[in-house]
Amino acid sequence: DGGITQSPKYLFRKEGQNVTLSCEQNLNHDAMYWYRQDPGQGLRLIYYSQIVNDFQKGDIAEGYSVSREKKESFPLTVTSAQKNPTAFYLCASSIRVSYNEQFFGPGTRLTVL
Amino acid sequence: EDQVTQSPEALRLQEGESSSLNCSYTVSGLRGLFWYRQDPGKGPEFLFTLYSAGEEKEKERLKATLTKKESFLHITAPKPEDSATYLCAVQAGGSARQLTFGSGTQLTVLP
Repeated sequence: DGGITQSPKYLFRKEGQNVTLSCEQNLNHDAMYWYRQDPGQGLRLIYYSQIVNDFQKGDIAEGYSVSREKKESFPLTVTSAQKNPTAFYLCASSIRVSYNEQFFGPGTRLTVL
Repeated sequence: EDQVTQSPEALRLQEGESSSLNCSYTVSGLRGLFWYRQDPGKGPEFLFTLYSAGEEKEKERLKATLTKKESFLHITAPKPEDSATYLCAVQAGGSARQLTFGSGTQLTVLP
């Protein structure tokens, strides 16, 4: 059963802490993406990766970091430098970056206490 | 700069009352326009891709159409289970990696 999984579903963080959000896909897709969604706003791109060991900044990369050590995995770290981290985080993948359709995981809701 | 505007922000329909959602866009060379459905607290679910003006695609009660400036998502005889937020996104020819999303239309279908 192919798809994208994200964990945890809910995450609570104290100010000053780094947290890592997991994203795994078994679709054999080359490209993976991280988006942030805030209420009443469209999805905004944080980072994307075309292949293993390669990633590029999106529109709102400040305060975030990623790694792509395996094709299946693209974890996102929300660092203490991110001033307003409370949001709904969505991971997506596509066959390749130049391929249009992106498929999304179920999301992680991060709340800063 | 690529821009996507969706209207209305929210729409309430009675079951069986057909209507349309609008997605207006400004891009430098459209590579594709995408419609997604998003249920509360979940990730977006892919619905359609449209590539060129005049193209139409259908899925059950949904039909998406595309012109050079906008796309419509027509909902025919909706049911309560069609209630969701519908997102539109565009991909410009010069930016193969990035989708630009609209803020969505929240559709509620009342029984």
